[in-house]
Amino acid sequence: QVTLKESGPGILQPSQTLSLTCSFSGFSLSTSGICVSWIRQPSGKGLEWLATICWEDSKGYNPSLKNRLTISKDTSNNQAFLKITSVDTADTAIYYCARSPFGVPDYWGQGVMVTVSS
Amino acid sequence: DIVMTQAPLSVSVTPGESASISCRSSKSLLHSNGITYVYWYLQKPGKSPQLLIYRMSNLASGVPDRFSGSGSETDFTLKISRVEAEDVGIYYCGQLLENLMYTFGAGTKLELK
Repeated sequence: QVTLKESGPGILQPSQTLSLTCSFSGFSLSTSGICVSWIRQPSGKGLEWLATICWEDSKGYNPSLKNRLTISKDTSNNQAFLKITSVDTADTAIYYCARSPFGVPDYWGQGVMVTVSS
Repeated sequence: DIVMTQAPLSVSVTPGESASISCRSSKSLLHSNGITYVYWYLQKPGKSPQLLIYRMSNLASGVPDRFSGSGSETDFTLKISRVEAEDVGIYYCGQLLENLMYTFGAGTKLELK
């Protein structure tokens, strides 16, 4: 059974760095073709793909946010991570991680709410 | 960047009838390998999105066969036959033509009459 769970700080202040963790089970990031993606959704709005990391450590980033994003993984501990630097209120959203075979999100976590506020 | 445009923004359907949702891409999603890299998701109220259709017309695991996907190189349709109450939510199309560069459409909200 594939499960994913996101964790994060809940609330942070503008200009800080947001660090998110995706802990998963039921698959391995060492398996050929397997990737993990991060996607976010501001309240009442649509989905925005942020970044993807794959088994062989290839990475893709949303061009509109690329300079602020860093995706990484810990294969041994079944975790993936996302850092977003210099956050502001526009980064307030639910953040999802998703298993993404060959880059396509299929199984999603429950999401974690992140609020940026002074 | 490839832009995915969905229409309509919302649709209201009588239970038991069918519904169609459209998605148009700004670039052909037909790869030289013959695969069309368009996907469909449903986000039920208060839930995470779930994959419905992959590579334009393939049903994801566990998805009822009331759902079907079709299209051409740039125009795609999700059809729901015999709409049920559990089908309510927001439908998103997505594309992955270029390696690890995913984009979503803005979503179409399906409601029951």
